[in-house]
Amino acid sequence: KAGVTQTPRYLIKTRGQQVTLSCSPISGHRSVSWYQQTPGQGLQFLFEYFSETQRNKGNFPGRFSGRQFSNSRSEMNVSTLELGDSALYLCASSTPTNTGELFFGEGSRLTVL
Amino acid sequence: AQSVTQLGSHVSVSEGALVLLRCNYSSSVPPYLFWYVQYPNQGLQLLLKYTSAATLVKGINGFEAEFKKSETSFHLTKPSAHMSDAAEYFCAVSDQLTGGGNKLTFGTGTQLKVEL
Repeated sequence: KAGVTQTPRYLIKTRGQQVTLSCSPISGHRSVSWYQQTPGQGLQFLFEYFSETQRNKGNFPGRFSGRQFSNSRSEMNVSTLELGDSALYLCASSTPTNTGELFFGEGSRLTVL
Repeated sequence: AQSVTQLGSHVSVSEGALVLLRCNYSSSVPPYLFWYVQYPNQGLQLLLKYTSAATLVKGINGFEAEFKKSETSFHLTKPSAHMSDAAEYFCAVSDQLTGGGNKLTFGTGTQLKVEL
């Protein structure tokens, strides 16, 4: 079974630009979550999508948004990039259980210059 | 809200020595707890999980963790370290959300170094 696939793996943007990251979950997984990982703040929850609806959201500004498609694939977008948005963005998928186990992709490393 | 605290941001052991990575949790309800490992430039891989069954949980690569409610701890151990164990390890607790679904709250991570 293929794992969680994230594209692109690496990208470089400049301040003020926007970026879109893509995530394909494990087949059969309908929940997709996004996390931001930085050296200073660690791993922080961005949002979670289930059945094309944002079910939960972390404490990030509105510049961070996402969506989920009918095939459960998800995208996240960051507009008006800031230097502090440089991070590893991790996508995770899960089955509809209550244990909370997440399966992570390898991440998209964003560098903002 | 649930939280976890990892004691020691860096741990160094000799190859063949015991690995002990500490994690304490704070939870108002019986928690679901996880250990994840992250190798350089990779995502997080699940090592093991505690979901209120057996208190001693065995995971992949020879790791295990023991849930101790009295100590609110979920420490990760491995009897004999291998060079390939060098990585960053994260303890996490599952937070069931009012909107349904779950999110994981992670500790700050422990970088494990294995020396010859």
